[in-house]
Amino acid sequence: EPEVTQTPSHQVTQMGQEVILRCVPISNHLYFYWYRQILGQKVEFLVSFYNNEISEKSEIFDDQFSVERPDGSNFTLKIRSTKLEDSAMYFCASTSNSNQPQHFGDGTRLSIL
Amino acid sequence: RKEVEQDPGPFNVPEGATVAFNCTYSNSASQSFFWYRQDCRKEPKLLMSVYSSGNEDGRFTAQLNRASQYISLLIRDSKLSDSATYLCVVNRASGSARQLTFGSGTQLTVLP
Repeated sequence: EPEVTQTPSHQVTQMGQEVILRCVPISNHLYFYWYRQILGQKVEFLVSFYNNEISEKSEIFDDQFSVERPDGSNFTLKIRSTKLEDSAMYFCASTSNSNQPQHFGDGTRLSIL
Repeated sequence: RKEVEQDPGPFNVPEGATVAFNCTYSNSASQSFFWYRQDCRKEPKLLMSVYSSGNEDGRFTAQLNRASQYISLLIRDSKLSDSATYLCVVNRASGSARQLTFGSGTQLTVLP
C-alpha cells in the first residue's frame, strides 16, 4: 500500500538554526499538509498546499515557516530560525480529494536545544 | 467552545468489553468526519470515515448526528491491540484543501 514518507525521523537542532523537514506524499495525491503535535497535546494544522501554492495556513504558520514542492515528489517544511517552542512531532499528510481522509507520514520528531 | 470536543478518558476496559466514545463539533458547516487512532508517539492512522447513515467495519461502528453535531464510535469485543488514543477528526468546511481539525483524543487501554 502506498504511503507518505518523511525524513529525518528525528532532528536535533540548536535554537536559531534553520531546519528543513522533508516529505514524499503518495504519488497520485494532489493535496498536501503539514501538522504538528507538541508532546501531550493534540494534532494541530499548520498549512495546506494545492496546485503549487499555499491553500490555507494557521496562526502557527508565521513568517518563520515556509513550504515548497521543489520537484514532482518532495514537499518540504522549512523553519528559518527555530525556537524552543518549535519542538514537536511534525506530520506530513496527503490526499487525492479534499473531502477524503488524509494519509499521514510517520512524522519527524524535532528537538530544539 | 472547542471546535472538536471528546470524552476526556482514559478508558480502561477488560478484553471483550464494549466501549463507546463520543465527540461533538462546533462548526455546523463541517462536511467530512473521521475516527483516527494514534499509538504512543506514532502518526494518526485512519480507523474509519463516518457517514450520516452510520457505518460499520467489523467490530467498529460509527454514527453521525448532524442535527446534534455529534459523532460516536462503538468498539465491540475489544482486543488488547485496540489500546490506543482515538481521535475524533472533522474536515473544516473552509478553504479548498479542507484542513483537518482534531479532538484531543480519548485514551483506551484494554486490559487482559
